[in-house]
Amino acid sequence: DAGVTQSPTHLIKTRGQQVTLRCSPKSGHDTVSWYQQALGQGPQFIFQYYEEEERQRGNFPDRFSGHQFPNYSSELNVNALLLGDSALYLCASSLTMGGNYNEQFFGPGTRLTVL
Amino acid sequence: GNSVTQMEGPVTLSEEAFLTINCTYTATGYPSLFWYVQYPGEGLQLLLKATKADDKGSNKGFEATYRKETTSFHLEKGSVQVSDSAVYFCALSRGSYDKVIFGPGTSLSVIP
Repeated sequence: DAGVTQSPTHLIKTRGQQVTLRCSPKSGHDTVSWYQQALGQGPQFIFQYYEEEERQRGNFPDRFSGHQFPNYSSELNVNALLLGDSALYLCASSLTMGGNYNEQFFGPGTRLTVL
Repeated sequence: GNSVTQMEGPVTLSEEAFLTINCTYTATGYPSLFWYVQYPGEGLQLLLKATKADDKGSNKGFEATYRKETTSFHLEKGSVQVSDSAVYFCALSRGSYDKVIFGPGTSLSVIP
């Protein structure tokens, strides 16, 4: 089992550009959540996708958008990049179905640097 | 709203010392509680969890007990090693359908 995978590992962009980050969930998982971790801080929830729809959203502007595909993989898009968007972006997968609590498994993250 | 508070670091300990990292939470209902660890340059790894009051999570010598009466989930280890040097995050969630709320993290350095 490959676990949660993310690509790319590192990315450098300039202000105003757009970026797309990708995530493949752990095998058998159907839910993907995205988090932003600024340097020296705890991760902050961006949004969660389930059944190809955004189910829950944190306090992030509309410049942050996402998508979930039928195979449960997901993309995070950020438009009009700002310097403050520089962070580690973490993807987490989990299984919603089943009724019992299931933990979220985190990927290694994508390090985004905005210059 | 729901939130997590944990002791500020950095914490520096000598090898084989006793570790305590305090964590308290504010939440509605009965969340599950977690400790995640982040080694330098890596993503998050789940260290241990507890899903109901009085549960004790344990892993790799680390322990934490879900105390509903004090809304706490303190992390402890009897004898730390240099390899335990990392950032530790206390967190809560109401379920896999819900977001994970993290504390700010506590950096631990263990010196030989």
